[in-house]
Amino acid sequence: AQTVTQSQPEMSVQEAETVTLSCTYDTSESNYYLFWYKQPPSRQMILVIRQEAYKQQNATENRFSVNFQKAAKSFSLKISDSQLGDTAMYFCAFIPPSGYSTLTFGKGTMLLVSP
Amino acid sequence: NAGVMQNPRHLVRRRGQEARLRCSPVKGHSHVYWYRQLPEEGLKFMVYLQKENIIDESGMPKERFSAEFPKEGPSILRIQQVVRGDSAAYFCASTSGQYTGELFFGEGSRLTVL
Repeated sequence: AQTVTQSQPEMSVQEAETVTLSCTYDTSESNYYLFWYKQPPSRQMILVIRQEAYKQQNATENRFSVNFQKAAKSFSLKISDSQLGDTAMYFCAFIPPSGYSTLTFGKGTMLLVSP
Repeated sequence: NAGVMQNPRHLVRRRGQEARLRCSPVKGHSHVYWYRQLPEEGLKFMVYLQKENIIDESGMPKERFSAEFPKEGPSILRIQQVVRGDSAAYFCASTSGQYTGELFFGEGSRLTVL
């Protein structure tokens, strides 16, 4: 069974600063996808960034980037130039490439961006 | 908006009543997932359905919970004889089935059991 661990229940950062959210996972699969989802107060789950395990290059989406360390099974999210609108719960998620797979989520990290 | 639509957004039930939550997937998507989110928790997988088939219901309680995804119409998550512990946000997600890993989520249905 796959597990996803987010060891930081809460994080705080000031506007314009950079913050890194941690995620580790456990799997015996060699190929898989990793995701960071954002859940703002509206509660909708919004995909932030996706990483394919067979790609060595770290994914980047504007101010969001990941540090994917496959051997260490680590998948951290870096948010640069933090904005007030980044305040949300952030969930790390994993999915293996089998036909009947579903996402396994971590418990989330609450990020608060302050002025 | 062609995203995943869930209704109702909020539902209040008394203990013992039935709750029905509906999910219309993204147009063209034939795979639907239901997740439950308890306060301060991540999303927990409940059930995975394709049109007219339950593929994986390993995350769904054996009693009182059922799900369907008929050939026509939305997917329904049904909770019979609700108890206070069923109070949670229930999220539906859909995918086309082609493996990209990405699920498209609805805004969730918040069930409160009094």
